[in-house]
Amino acid sequence: EVQLLESGGGVVQPGGSLRLSCAASGFSFTSYAMSWVRQAPGKGLEWVSVISSSDGSTYYADSVKGRFTISRDNSKNTLYLRMNSLRAEDTAIYYCARLSIAVFYCSSSSCYGGYFQHWGQGTLVTVSS
Amino acid sequence: DIVMTQTPLSLSVTPGQPASISCKSSQSLLHSDGKTYLYWYLQKPGQSPQLLIYEVSNRFSGVPDRFSGSGSGTDFTLKISRVEAEDVGVYYCMQSIQSWTFGQGTKVEIK
Repeated sequence: EVQLLESGGGVVQPGGSLRLSCAASGFSFTSYAMSWVRQAPGKGLEWVSVISSSDGSTYYADSVKGRFTISRDNSKNTLYLRMNSLRAEDTAIYYCARLSIAVFYCSSSSCYGGYFQHWGQGTLVTVSS
Repeated sequence: DIVMTQTPLSLSVTPGQPASISCKSSQSLLHSDGKTYLYWYLQKPGQSPQLLIYEVSNRFSGVPDRFSGSGSGTDFTLKISRVEAEDVGVYYCMQSIQSWTFGQGTKVEIK
């Protein structure tokens, strides 16, 4: 059974930093790209970032580019999201999700491909003073 | 950026009756590889989203056959043939032909 378990959420002041983790089990972690998707309170879903299975290629939503860093440790089956310069609008539940593909595609304008097959239960990040 | 627009935004359905949700994209989701990059998710109350349909019309593992997807290009539909109490929640369409973006969601409740 695929399991994705997020941790690391909490309350942080504007301008602060936080690192989220997602422990994966029940599948071959090195065979899939992984992603973070967030959901502000009472709002819809927003894709945040994606990382390929093995070569470490990454891609970010414009809303977090330059502030967030996605990474993975394939030896620990763990996905990370380092969030710096946090803003009130970053307040959300952050979900870890497994893509259906190992490597996403990139055109001249954007990266794309696959879909989110499995999701974790999420971890809440609150940015507030 | 591709904008995904769902209608209606809310739906109240009698158990056993059908339900239909529309999703329109601002650009075609048909890729040159022949696939259409359109998906449907359900987020039940208090839960994380779960995949229902991939590439327009393929049910994901374990999804009941009362759920079906159809459409092409920019217009897509999710249909529930006979709504059950466990189908309540918010339904999202998503595209992945240009980054990954979701519709605003359709809330389905039982009458």
